[in-house]
Amino acid sequence: EAGVAQSPRYKIIEKRQSVAFWCNPISGHATLYWYQQILGQGPKLLIQFQNNGVVDDSQLPKDRFSAERLKGVDSTLKIQPAKLEDSAVYLCASSLEITGLTFGSGTRLTVV
Amino acid sequence: AQSVAQPEDQVNVAEGNPLTVKCTYSVSGNPYLFWYVQYPNRGLQFLLKYITGDNLVKGSYGFEAEFNKSQTSFHLKKPSALVSDSALYFCAVRDAGNNRKLIWGLGTSLAVNP
Repeated sequence: EAGVAQSPRYKIIEKRQSVAFWCNPISGHATLYWYQQILGQGPKLLIQFQNNGVVDDSQLPKDRFSAERLKGVDSTLKIQPAKLEDSAVYLCASSLEITGLTFGSGTRLTVV
Repeated sequence: AQSVAQPEDQVNVAEGNPLTVKCTYSVSGNPYLFWYVQYPNRGLQFLLKYITGDNLVKGSYGFEAEFNKSQTSFHLKKPSALVSDSALYFCAVRDAGNNRKLIWGLGTSLAVNP
């Protein structure tokens, strides 16, 4: 079974620029998650999709972050404009209803 | 409200000794419980889960966890630690009801000394 694919692996941008991350979940996994993980901390859920509907986006900074999951498969997460504190690893994960989450390798974002 | 606690920021054990990483939880209904591991500079990996059934759950890399309903705990264990087990371990819980939100612990750093 192919894993969760994420791109790019690394991204360096200047503050106030915009950036987008892409995720392709495991085929058939209805639930897709975007997490932000700052070095040394646990993952923080940004948004959770069930198919193409949003289940939880309570911790998504909606003034600068947006995410979509068209057709209930691939998803993109965008930051516009980026701030220094957005430097983190952005993890995408997918799951079936009660299985564990399968994570992608993540995108390491550095905002300078 | 749902919550997860990992009371130890760091656990140190000698190679070959048994290890335990603690996790306690609070949910309103029946819990779904998970352990994940993050090796240095790597992504998060699923280790094991408890959904229902036998309280002792076996997972990857020789790890196991015991669900204790009365103590609301789900401690991660391994009979004999390896240096390669050194990593960050995260416990997570979800209410088995309609709330699909997964709550994460803050993580425990395990260091296995040769």
